Amino acid sequence: GNSVTQMEGPVTLSEEAFLTINCTYTATGYPSLFWYVQYPGEGLQLLLKATKADDKGSNKGFEATYRKETTSFHLEKGSVQVSDSAVYFCALSLLGGSEKLVFGKGTKLTVNP
Amino acid sequence: DTGVSQNPRHKITKRGQNVTFRCDPISEHNRLYWYRQTLGQGPEFLTYFQNEAQLEKSRLLSDRFSAERPKGSFSTLEIQRTEQGDSAMYLCASSLAMVGYGYTFGSGTRLTVV
Repeated sequence: GNSVTQMEGPVTLSEEAFLTINCTYTATGYPSLFWYVQYPGEGLQLLLKATKADDKGSNKGFEATYRKETTSFHLEKGSVQVSDSAVYFCALSLLGGSEKLVFGKGTKLTVNP
Repeated sequence: DTGVSQNPRHKITKRGQNVTFRCDPISEHNRLYWYRQTLGQGPEFLTYFQNEAQLEKSRLLSDRFSAERPKGSFSTLEIQRTEQGDSAMYLCASSLAMVGYGYTFGSGTRLTVV
Protein backbone atom coordinates (compact mmCIF):
# COMPACT_ATOMS: atom_id res chain seq x y z
CA GLY A 1 0.00 0.00 0.00
CA ASN A 2 0.87 3.67 0.09
CA SER A 3 2.19 5.17 3.30
CA VAL A 4 4.29 7.97 4.75
CA THR A 5 6.52 7.71 7.79
CA GLN A 6 7.70 10.81 9.62
CA MET A 7 10.15 11.16 12.45
CA GLU A 8 8.48 11.10 15.84
CA GLY A 9 8.02 14.38 17.60
CA PRO A 10 7.85 16.61 19.36
CA VAL A 11 10.92 18.51 18.25
CA THR A 12 12.11 21.44 20.35
CA LEU A 13 14.75 23.83 19.03
CA SER A 14 16.21 27.18 19.92
CA GLU A 15 15.76 30.09 17.54
CA GLU A 16 18.27 30.07 14.64
CA ALA A 17 18.94 26.34 14.99
CA PHE A 18 19.02 24.00 11.98
CA LEU A 19 15.91 21.91 11.39
CA THR A 20 15.55 18.51 9.77
CA ILE A 21 12.32 16.51 9.81
CA ASN A 22 12.72 13.11 8.18
CA CYS A 23 10.09 11.70 5.87
CA THR A 24 10.13 8.42 3.95
CA TYR A 25 7.42 6.94 1.80
CA THR A 26 6.15 3.73 0.27
CA ALA A 27 4.16 4.00 -2.92
CA THR A 28 2.74 1.57 -5.47
CA GLY A 29 3.18 4.12 -8.23
CA TYR A 30 5.06 7.34 -8.91
CA PRO A 31 4.02 9.88 -6.26
CA SER A 32 4.04 13.62 -5.92
CA LEU A 33 5.36 14.66 -2.52
CA PHE A 34 4.23 17.48 -0.26
CA TRP A 35 4.89 19.16 3.05
CA TYR A 36 1.93 20.78 4.77
CA VAL A 37 2.07 22.94 7.89
CA GLN A 38 -0.64 23.41 10.49
CA TYR A 39 -0.32 26.40 12.79
CA PRO A 40 -2.23 26.32 16.08
CA GLY A 41 -5.96 26.71 15.54
CA GLU A 42 -5.66 26.82 11.76
CA GLY A 43 -6.15 24.50 8.81
CA LEU A 44 -3.37 22.85 6.85
CA GLN A 45 -1.38 24.99 4.44
CA LEU A 46 0.75 23.75 1.58
CA LEU A 47 4.38 24.55 2.41
CA LEU A 48 6.17 23.03 -0.58
CA LYS A 49 5.94 20.25 -3.12
CA ALA A 50 7.91 18.19 -5.64
CA THR A 51 6.45 16.16 -8.46
CA LYS A 52 9.42 14.21 -9.81
CA ALA A 53 12.70 12.72 -8.70
CA ASP A 54 15.50 15.17 -7.81
CA ASP A 55 13.09 18.11 -7.76
CA LYS A 56 13.63 20.49 -4.87
CA GLY A 57 10.63 22.22 -3.35
CA SER A 58 11.25 25.41 -1.40
CA ASN A 59 9.25 28.08 0.39
CA LYS A 60 9.78 30.47 3.32
CA GLY A 61 13.33 29.18 3.83
CA PHE A 62 12.22 25.54 3.98
CA GLU A 63 13.52 23.02 1.42
CA ALA A 64 12.95 19.37 0.60
CA THR A 65 14.42 17.24 -2.20
CA TYR A 66 12.58 14.31 -3.78
CA ARG A 67 14.98 11.35 -3.49
CA LYS A 68 13.63 8.38 -5.36
CA GLU A 69 16.59 6.14 -4.56
CA THR A 70 16.02 6.50 -0.82
CA THR A 71 12.24 7.12 -1.07
CA SER A 72 12.68 10.22 1.07
CA PHE A 73 11.55 13.84 1.19
CA HIS A 74 13.23 15.33 4.27
CA LEU A 75 12.29 18.86 5.30
CA GLU A 76 15.12 21.27 6.20
CA LYS A 77 15.53 24.87 7.28
CA GLY A 78 18.80 26.52 8.05
CA SER A 79 17.65 28.89 10.78
CA VAL A 80 14.27 28.43 12.45
CA GLN A 81 12.20 31.20 14.01
CA VAL A 82 9.68 31.18 16.83
CA SER A 83 6.97 31.73 14.19
CA ASP A 84 7.85 28.34 12.63
CA SER A 85 6.33 26.57 15.63
CA ALA A 86 3.64 24.33 14.14
CA VAL A 87 2.84 20.75 13.17
CA TYR A 88 4.43 19.61 9.91
CA PHE A 89 2.90 16.86 7.77
CA CYS A 90 4.58 14.98 4.97
CA ALA A 91 2.20 13.62 2.33
CA LEU A 92 2.08 11.88 -1.02
CA SER A 93 -0.40 11.58 -3.82
CA LEU A 94 -0.31 9.23 -6.78
CA LEU A 95 -0.60 10.35 -10.34
CA GLY A 96 -3.99 9.97 -11.91
CA GLY A 97 -7.27 9.03 -10.28
CA SER A 98 -8.34 10.99 -7.25
CA GLU A 99 -4.82 12.13 -6.30
CA LYS A 100 -5.95 11.81 -2.71
CA LEU A 101 -3.31 12.66 -0.16
CA VAL A 102 -1.80 10.09 2.17
CA PHE A 103 -0.38 11.82 5.23
CA GLY A 104 2.19 10.99 7.83
CA LYS A 105 1.28 11.40 11.49
CA GLY A 106 2.82 14.84 11.73
CA THR A 107 5.76 16.26 13.65
CA LYS A 108 5.21 19.02 16.18
CA LEU A 109 7.93 21.65 16.17
CA THR A 110 8.39 24.13 19.00
CA VAL A 111 10.97 26.90 18.60
CA ASN A 112 12.01 28.73 21.75
CA PRO A 113 13.42 32.27 21.74
CA ASP B 1 -12.11 34.47 -3.30
CA THR B 2 -11.47 33.93 0.39
CA GLY B 3 -10.33 30.32 0.19
CA VAL B 4 -12.11 27.22 1.45
CA SER B 5 -14.78 27.95 4.02
CA GLN B 6 -16.17 25.41 6.49
CA ASN B 7 -19.14 25.77 8.80
CA PRO B 8 -19.63 25.43 11.66
CA ARG B 9 -16.16 25.70 13.22
CA HIS B 10 -17.24 23.72 16.24
CA LYS B 11 -20.13 21.34 16.86
CA ILE B 12 -21.03 19.60 20.09
CA THR B 13 -23.75 17.00 19.82
CA LYS B 14 -25.24 14.23 21.88
CA ARG B 15 -24.62 10.64 20.89
CA GLY B 16 -27.28 9.43 18.51
CA GLN B 17 -28.01 12.83 16.97
CA ASN B 18 -27.45 13.68 13.32
CA VAL B 19 -25.05 16.43 12.28
CA THR B 20 -24.32 18.15 8.98
CA PHE B 21 -21.25 20.13 8.00
CA ARG B 22 -20.85 22.46 5.04
CA CYS B 23 -17.85 23.22 2.85
CA ASP B 24 -17.58 26.02 0.29
CA PRO B 25 -14.56 25.42 -1.95
CA ILE B 26 -12.58 27.85 -4.06
CA SER B 27 -14.95 28.59 -6.89
CA GLU B 28 -12.72 27.57 -9.80
CA HIS B 29 -11.65 24.29 -8.18
CA ASN B 30 -13.43 21.26 -9.60
CA ARG B 31 -12.24 18.75 -6.98
CA LEU B 32 -13.44 18.65 -3.39
CA TYR B 33 -12.17 16.33 -0.67
CA TRP B 34 -13.24 15.43 2.85
CA TYR B 35 -10.71 14.24 5.42
CA ARG B 36 -10.94 13.33 9.09
CA GLN B 37 -8.20 14.14 11.59
CA THR B 38 -8.03 12.73 15.09
CA LEU B 39 -5.69 13.97 17.81
CA GLY B 40 -2.06 13.21 17.11
CA GLN B 41 -2.74 11.74 13.68
CA GLY B 42 -2.49 12.95 10.13
CA PRO B 43 -5.66 13.56 8.14
CA GLU B 44 -7.33 10.45 6.68
CA PHE B 45 -9.13 10.48 3.35
CA LEU B 46 -12.90 10.04 3.48
CA THR B 47 -14.25 10.89 0.04
CA TYR B 48 -13.83 13.12 -2.99
CA PHE B 49 -15.90 14.75 -5.70
CA GLN B 50 -15.01 15.84 -9.16
CA ASN B 51 -17.62 18.44 -10.02
CA GLU B 52 -20.87 16.94 -8.70
CA ALA B 53 -19.83 13.29 -9.00
CA GLN B 54 -18.67 11.42 -5.91
CA LEU B 55 -15.90 9.29 -7.39
CA GLU B 56 -14.28 7.61 -4.42
CA LYS B 57 -15.20 6.72 -0.86
CA SER B 58 -12.93 5.34 1.82
CA ARG B 59 -13.94 2.26 3.76
CA LEU B 60 -13.69 4.59 6.77
CA LEU B 61 -16.90 6.15 5.51
CA SER B 62 -19.50 3.90 7.08
CA ASP B 63 -23.14 3.86 6.00
CA ARG B 64 -23.85 6.46 8.70
CA PHE B 65 -21.86 8.98 6.68
CA SER B 66 -23.09 10.61 3.50
CA ALA B 67 -21.67 13.42 1.41
CA GLU B 68 -23.16 15.45 -1.39
CA ARG B 69 -22.02 18.14 -3.75
CA PRO B 70 -25.08 19.38 -5.61
CA LYS B 71 -24.31 21.30 -8.80
CA GLY B 72 -20.61 20.89 -8.20
CA SER B 73 -20.39 23.82 -5.83
CA PHE B 74 -20.59 23.53 -2.04
CA SER B 75 -20.58 20.16 -0.30
CA THR B 76 -22.22 18.76 2.81
CA LEU B 77 -21.11 15.90 5.01
CA GLU B 78 -23.80 14.33 7.18
CA ILE B 79 -23.24 11.91 10.02
CA GLN B 80 -26.29 10.03 11.24
CA ARG B 81 -26.64 8.49 14.70
CA THR B 82 -23.36 9.96 15.89
CA GLU B 83 -21.06 7.91 18.10
CA GLN B 84 -18.30 9.05 20.43
CA GLY B 85 -15.76 7.63 18.00
CA ASP B 86 -16.90 10.18 15.44
CA SER B 87 -15.35 12.97 17.51
CA ALA B 88 -12.66 14.46 15.29
CA MET B 89 -11.74 17.40 13.10
CA TYR B 90 -13.42 17.17 9.70
CA LEU B 91 -11.40 18.88 7.00
CA CYS B 92 -12.50 19.95 3.56
CA ALA B 93 -10.09 20.74 0.75
CA SER B 94 -10.42 21.76 -2.86
CA SER B 95 -8.11 21.45 -5.84
CA LEU B 96 -7.86 21.44 -9.58
CA ALA B 97 -7.59 18.21 -11.55
CA MET B 98 -3.90 18.76 -12.36
CA VAL B 99 -0.99 16.53 -11.48
CA GLY B 100 0.67 17.60 -8.24
CA TYR B 101 -1.45 20.75 -7.95
CA GLY B 102 -1.90 20.49 -4.20
CA TYR B 103 -4.91 21.26 -2.08
CA THR B 104 -6.29 24.29 -0.30
CA PHE B 105 -7.69 23.24 3.04
CA GLY B 106 -10.40 24.86 5.07
CA SER B 107 -9.99 25.46 8.80
CA GLY B 108 -12.08 22.42 9.61
CA THR B 109 -15.11 21.59 11.73
CA ARG B 110 -14.34 20.16 15.14
CA LEU B 111 -17.01 17.65 16.18
CA THR B 112 -17.40 16.57 19.78
CA VAL B 113 -19.89 13.81 20.54
CA VAL B 114 -20.88 13.64 24.20
